Amino acid sequence: QLRLQESGSGLVRPSQTLSLTCAVSGGSISSGDYSWSWIRQPPGKGLEWIGYISQSGSTSYNPSLKSRVTISGDRSKKQFSLKLRSATAADTAVYYCARVFRVWYFDLWGRGSLVTVSS
Amino acid sequence: QPVLTQSPSASASLGASVKLTCTLSSGHSSYAIAWHQLQPEKGPRFLMKIYTDGSHTRGDGIPNRFSGSSSGAERSLTISSLQSDDEADYYCQTWATGIQVFGGGTRLTVL
Repeated sequence: QLRLQESGSGLVRPSQTLSLTCAVSGGSISSGDYSWSWIRQPPGKGLEWIGYISQSGSTSYNPSLKSRVTISGDRSKKQFSLKLRSATAADTAVYYCARVFRVWYFDLWGRGSLVTVSS
Repeated sequence: QPVLTQSPSASASLGASVKLTCTLSSGHSSYAIAWHQLQPEKGPRFLMKIYTDGSHTRGDGIPNRFSGSSSGAERSLTISSLQSDDEADYYCQTWATGIQVFGGGTRLTVL
């Protein structure tokens, strides 16, 4: 059974880069039907899509975050990563990784990782 | 791009049924959507995809107490035989070229 697990620093200083990794276990990361995505949920707010990386390595990002975000993948390690530059307190959130069926809907989620941006 | 509108809250009694609705913005009434459940201390869970004609595909392990329907721009999730464990936040989600969109979420309280 495929599982996703987020990992990374839980505390980031303002203006620094927020970095997270999603490890894929129990199955393949290379199936042609799936892309891999990051979503976040700030405290007390709703879900916000951050971006995704496709099997071909192409990426698509939320326009509101595009200038600060990079999503990359490493098939050999069965993981994909998020980097969010110039972090501010507004980036404090639970960050989720998820599998995307084609580029349509999220059909599998990680449990989430809380990242706090604070000095 | 599409916008999804959900009521912020809903409530229903244990054992009863509840219908949660997600409304697509004007010009996007033909879009399919997906429903997701977020519970405290648990990861989000994909519930189902709902097509324009109301047909739906549940996620792995989702019981048939969860069903979907469609009417015009509305895509609805009905939960029957409510259990205390169904108390959660429910989000609808759709997609367009290169973008994903979430509704604002509905908090369901089981009385």
